[in-house]
Amino acid sequence: QLQLQESGPGLVRPSETLSLTCTVSGDSVSSSSYYWGWLRQPPGKELEWIGSIHYSGSTHYNPSLKSRVTISGDRSKKQFSLNLSSLTAADTAVYYCARSTASADFDSWGQGTLVTVSS
Amino acid sequence: QSVLTQPPSVSAAPGQKVTISCSGSSSNIGNNYVSWYQQLPGTAPKLLIYDNNKRPSGIPDRFSGSKSGTSATLGITGLLTGDEADYFCGTWDSSLSAAVFGGGTKLTVL
Repeated sequence: QLQLQESGPGLVRPSETLSLTCTVSGDSVSSSSYYWGWLRQPPGKELEWIGSIHYSGSTHYNPSLKSRVTISGDRSKKQFSLNLSSLTAADTAVYYCARSTASADFDSWGQGTLVTVSS
Repeated sequence: QSVLTQPPSVSAAPGQKVTISCSGSSSNIGNNYVSWYQQLPGTAPKLLIYDNNKRPSGIPDRFSGSKSGTSATLGITGLLTGDEADYFCGTWDSSLSAAVFGGGTKLTVL
């Protein structure tokens, strides 16, 4: 059974860079059928797609965040990572990693990790 | 403001049926597949419907999806108290080149 697990700091200071890692078990991140993505949900607000990476290494980012986002993958470790720079309080959210198809339906999710941006 | 528009809340009695709408445009719903998610309090979203009307393995047939033009609808029959959750729609927006979601609809089973 596919499982995804986010890891990273729960508290980050303004202007710094957030680094999160998603570890995948039960499936291969090298499958050509899927994309591996990051999404976030500010408290009480709607879900926002941050970006995704395909096993080929190609990445797709939300244009609204593109200048601050980098997503990378490590097939050997079955992990993919998110870097989000120049953080502000508006980046406070629960961050999820998830698997999707090319149709942008996200069929497996991590449990989510709350990231608070505060000094 | 969300790219996809959903009603903030819906309610119905146990055993009844409810529908949740999701309105978009030709750049998203009109030309791409729609998915629906259930989010119980404090948990990650769960895929209920993909490709407009398909259910993943393990999702009961009480949940159904449909699409017409630039709108989509989630239907839930035989409501259970355990169905109380937030439901939101999602799709790809070809103009934005981004996955987009609705603002979510809170379902209350009275």
